[in-house]
Amino acid sequence: DAGVIQSPRHEVTEMGQEVTLRCKPISGHDYLFWYRQTMMRGLELLIYFNNNVPIDDSGMPEDRFSAKMPNASFSTLKIQPSEPRDSAVYFCASSLDPLDRGDYNSPLHFGNGTRLTVT
Amino acid sequence: QKEVEQDPGPLSVPEGAIVSLNCTYSNSAFQYFMWYRQYSRKGPELLMYTYSSGNKEDGRFTAQVDKSSKYISLFIRDSQPSDSATYLCAMTELYNFNKFYFGSGTKLNVKP
Repeated sequence: DAGVIQSPRHEVTEMGQEVTLRCKPISGHDYLFWYRQTMMRGLELLIYFNNNVPIDDSGMPEDRFSAKMPNASFSTLKIQPSEPRDSAVYFCASSLDPLDRGDYNSPLHFGNGTRLTVT
Repeated sequence: QKEVEQDPGPLSVPEGAIVSLNCTYSNSAFQYFMWYRQYSRKGPELLMYTYSSGNKEDGRFTAQVDKSSKYISLFIRDSQPSDSATYLCAMTELYNFNKFYFGSGTKLNVKP
């Protein structure tokens, strides 16, 4: 398996522009997570989906952020309008349903992230 | 106070040294404890995980959990330059295992 695939790897945009980050999870994984990583705050969970349904979006910073998962193999994270404080590395991760795996803990498999710079 | 505390380092050691990385936490409901390794410009990858208290060994790596002290450790024996990375601890509650709490990561540099 190719692992979790994110695109683009780098994104540089100007304040006020719309940004769309994309993720393809590992085939067969039931859960998809969006994280943001900064030096100041470390890894923060933004939102996660189970079987394409958003379960917990309490980490989404504000209404400028939205995420969708139209099918099991694709998810987007959109920021509109973008601001300089949104600059960070955004990671997508996927995992199996722990109960399917016969184990109550299922590791997260991360993509290599999208480095977003908003000027 | 953050739920998971981890010294950011950086930690610089000579090749062959024993490395000790640590995290403390405040939530006594945490039951699963993980260590992720993150190379520069890459996503974190799972290194080890343990359930509840005790030790787990995998090659040169040993994970320890002391729930009474709310303290977890990762030991690396015979450290190699290829171990140079950022190490993040993570933990979850027993029945809320999709909410991972990450430490901020410790940057390790193993000098040849």
